[in-house]
Amino acid sequence: GAVVSQHPSWVICKSGTSVKIECRSLDFQATTMFWYRQFPKQSLMLMATSNEGSKATYEQGVEKDKFLINHASLTLSTLTVTSAHPEDSSFYICSRLAGDYNEQFFGPGTRLTVL
Amino acid sequence: QKEVEQDPGPLSVPEGAIVSLNCTYSNSAFQYFMWYRQYSRKGPELLMYTYSSGNKEDGRFTAQVDKSSKYISLFIRDSQPSDSATYLCAMTGGFKTIFGAGTRLFVKA
Repeated sequence: GAVVSQHPSWVICKSGTSVKIECRSLDFQATTMFWYRQFPKQSLMLMATSNEGSKATYEQGVEKDKFLINHASLTLSTLTVTSAHPEDSSFYICSRLAGDYNEQFFGPGTRLTVL
Repeated sequence: QKEVEQDPGPLSVPEGAIVSLNCTYSNSAFQYFMWYRQYSRKGPELLMYTYSSGNKEDGRFTAQVDKSSKYISLFIRDSQPSDSATYLCAMTGGFKTIFGAGTRLFVKA
């Protein structure tokens, strides 16, 4: 069964509003989770690494003030897209590590459409 | 040069064909290799993982790693229309995982 859940699965918002996406680790605690963005027909682009109890680590080119990450508990990380614009429309996916090889298990993704 | 190269396709095959998907990489520090399958508008799901050179089989799927050539492959036998998806290779040598661009596969009934 699923080990990572995301909510909502699909959201439409107006330009200028903020949207929060939740990522939950269902089967065990995760001190580290990852947030990816995926544009149509493109691969995963790592946005940031979410660390429980501390600041997230952002990849180069990702605006930390625009994509706010909070990892307040060992099972929940949230990504807030602030002042969303149409170019932020994308598929956002979170993941956590597991296993001997540090395999990543992904959530089902959240499709964001900004009008 | 990208750390991981993967042909994006699309690759179209008839049902029952053997499919070969490949990635090359440049960083010899990569130790663990994975293949993910992603259906349209879904998150990727882990298909197979391996850490050594050689073959690993799971049902209709075989993962192959050649560390000397820095080349990994995923073979799908007796392909089915339900195998139509994007397949991403991934590899890691430590904390960060690097993903290939993904190959879109279409299996025609």
